[in-house]
Amino acid sequence: DIQVTQSPSSLSASVGDRVTITCRASQRVSTFLNWYQQKPGKPPKLLIYAASSLQTGVPSRFSGSGSGTDFTLTISSLQPEDFATYFCQQTFNTSPITFGQGTRLEIK
Amino acid sequence: QVQLQESGPGLVKPSETLSLTCTVSGGPMTNYYWTWIRQPPGKGLEWIGYIFYTGSPNYNPSLKSRVTISVDTSKNQFSLKLNSVTAADTAVYYCARNRVTMTTSNFDYWGQGMLVTVSS
Repeated sequence: DIQVTQSPSSLSASVGDRVTITCRASQRVSTFLNWYQQKPGKPPKLLIYAASSLQTGVPSRFSGSGSGTDFTLTISSLQPEDFATYFCQQTFNTSPITFGQGTRLEIK
Repeated sequence: QVQLQESGPGLVKPSETLSLTCTVSGGPMTNYYWTWIRQPPGKGLEWIGYIFYTGSPNYNPSLKSRVTISVDTSKNQFSLKLNSVTAADTAVYYCARNRVTMTTSNFDYWGQGMLVTVSS
C-alpha cells in the first residue's frame, strides 16, 4: 500500500490567515493526488485534483502544489466557512486507493 | 447536476451481510467508475472498492475476501455487499463517482452517506 501522511493533524488559525497543509506519500504518485474538505455530518467535497487543478466552483483562495511524494494545500486567506477537516488522497496505485488521516482546521 | 443516494438497512447483526444500494441521477453511468468509501465514527476515510460501468470491479485488498460490488446501469444503480460483518464495520458508508482520465482519478460527486451500525 502507498501510505499517505498529512501534517499537521490539527491546526488552529484565524480568519484571514494563510494556511498550508502538507501531504507526503510513501512512494511516488506523480500528480495523482487529490484534496477534499469535509464538514461535520457531510460528505467530503473535492477541492483540488491532479495535485494542482481547482475543481469547478471551488474558490480561488484554495490552491495545491507538488508532485512525486510531497504535496501542499494552501488556503490564501481563511474564511469562516473554511474551518473543516481536510483529507488528501492518492489514486496512483489503485490497490488500494488511500487517504491521509486528515487535518482538522479549527478557529483560533 | 449529478446526485447519488445510498439506501439500505441502517442496522445489521454481527456475522450477517451488509447490503447497500446507490442510485445515480442527473447524469449517465457510462464511462465512469463507481466507488464505495466508508468512515467509522470520528475516524478517517477508507476506500472499499470501485466498479466500472461495464462491470469490472477492483477491491481494497484488506476487504477483498468479504466484498462484492455490482452495477445495474438499466436501473442507474450500483450496490455493495459486505459479508461476515463485525462491530468494526460500523461506519458511515458513502457512494461516489470516480472520474478517471489520463491525468487524474478523483471522486467528484458523493452521496450524503448512510450510517450502518453492526449490533445484535
